[in-house]
Amino acid sequence: GENVEQHPSTLSVQEGDSAVIKCTYSDSASNYFPWYKQELGKRPQLIIDIRSNVGEKKDQRIAVTLNKTAKHFSLHITETQPEDSAVYFCAASNGGSQGNLIFGKGTKLSVKP
Amino acid sequence: NAGVTQTPKFRVLKTGQSMTLLCAQDMNHEYMYWYRQDPGMGLRLIHYSVGEGTTAKGEVPDGYNVSRLKKQNFLLGLESAAPSQTSVYFCASSYFIRNQGTNQPQHFGDGTRLSIL
Repeated sequence: GENVEQHPSTLSVQEGDSAVIKCTYSDSASNYFPWYKQELGKRPQLIIDIRSNVGEKKDQRIAVTLNKTAKHFSLHITETQPEDSAVYFCAASNGGSQGNLIFGKGTKLSVKP
Repeated sequence: NAGVTQTPKFRVLKTGQSMTLLCAQDMNHEYMYWYRQDPGMGLRLIHYSVGEGTTAKGEVPDGYNVSRLKKQNFLLGLESAAPSQTSVYFCASSYFIRNQGTNQPQHFGDGTRLSIL
């Protein structure tokens, strides 16, 4: 089955710097890759997703890149702000009839003012 | 439009007790999921449902049962609670475009924090 590895587990940056979180997946049939942000004590919320037919997607300060050959995808946050501090989860799905997501273990991002 | 609503928000049980967690969604989603979240483990799928009257096992189904009698509700049951089931439980729902074979974003509830003593 699918396995998703996420690195790093913790990441600390200065406000205004960029942050990059990387994930690798094992199932070459995976074709949907969402990223979720979870603030302390809150629900996971989708911040961006990408499908296998594109290599990059951007939404304001957030971008995701996908390398299907290498089976890895990354989240890029530019001009980080203290409110970006949270745990970020990547996930992958092969779009089968179940549509199940396999999540990475999360990255705790701390943005220091 | 409330989205995904979970009840209760908090619960403390004794070992061996039973309880049911309720998930309700008002988005007319076909797919519903139950996850558990433990420190350092991410989100792990317990059971899921692809439509009313159907359920299936996920990654960590042991010790749990589910039912989907109505499209908008997905119930998670613990028949005999164990300390290892202390966790935060999240319900999620999504559309699924069958003909296109693609996934749609999963929308999560606020979670139920369950402690078993």
